[in-house]
Amino acid sequence: TQLLEQSPQFLSIQEGENLTVYCNSSSVFSSLQWYRQEPGEGPVLLVTVVTGGEVKKLKRLTFQFGDARKDSSLHITAAQPGDTGLYLCAGPQGAGTALIFGKGTTLSVSS
Amino acid sequence: DAGITQSPRHKVTETGTPVTLRCHQTENHRYMYWYRQDPGHGLRLIHYSYGVKDTDKGEVSDGYSVSRSKTEDFLLTLESATSSQTSVYFCAISVGRTYPKVETQYFGPGTRLLVL
Repeated sequence: TQLLEQSPQFLSIQEGENLTVYCNSSSVFSSLQWYRQEPGEGPVLLVTVVTGGEVKKLKRLTFQFGDARKDSSLHITAAQPGDTGLYLCAGPQGAGTALIFGKGTTLSVSS
Repeated sequence: DAGITQSPRHKVTETGTPVTLRCHQTENHRYMYWYRQDPGHGLRLIHYSYGVKDTDKGEVSDGYSVSRSKTEDFLLTLESATSSQTSVYFCAISVGRTYPKVETQYFGPGTRLLVL
């Protein structure tokens, strides 16, 4: 059974701090995705990583796919209150189109 | 915006009553999904559809049924609602890329269901 484990579960920081969120599995994934979800809304895709070792940057967010394609990390530099939300990693479930999701990291950034 | 709407957005019902949630999409996507989201459990797949009248079970399908009679609508029915089905329900569509093979899901705004 494929599982994605995210850590930490909760993170509360001050504006301007840096943070890293992790997504780990014992299974190899052909790709991993990161979604962000704001209260009262559905998740929205931030990035997809497909190559082992790949690093992608989205403004202050840096995403990395592990060399063995079993893990990924999300690093936020100089966090802002607008970064507050639930961050979910997801990967393809088997050979089909469905995704499995980690349980998420709830980030709160206070000013 | 993938043109996904869900109705109702909020519903309160009583244990034992049937409930139907509707997901509507405007862009003719083949694949549609129903998830539930609960604290401590994340998003869990209930059922999905890969075409009109073609559906399959997900991880937590017990107590739920689905129907897809038109490409644009995917209905989720709780045959006899229980308090354990209190949750936030999300519908999603999938847009695929062939190489590398990547599926991106776009979600509706969710339906908050409270079963008393």
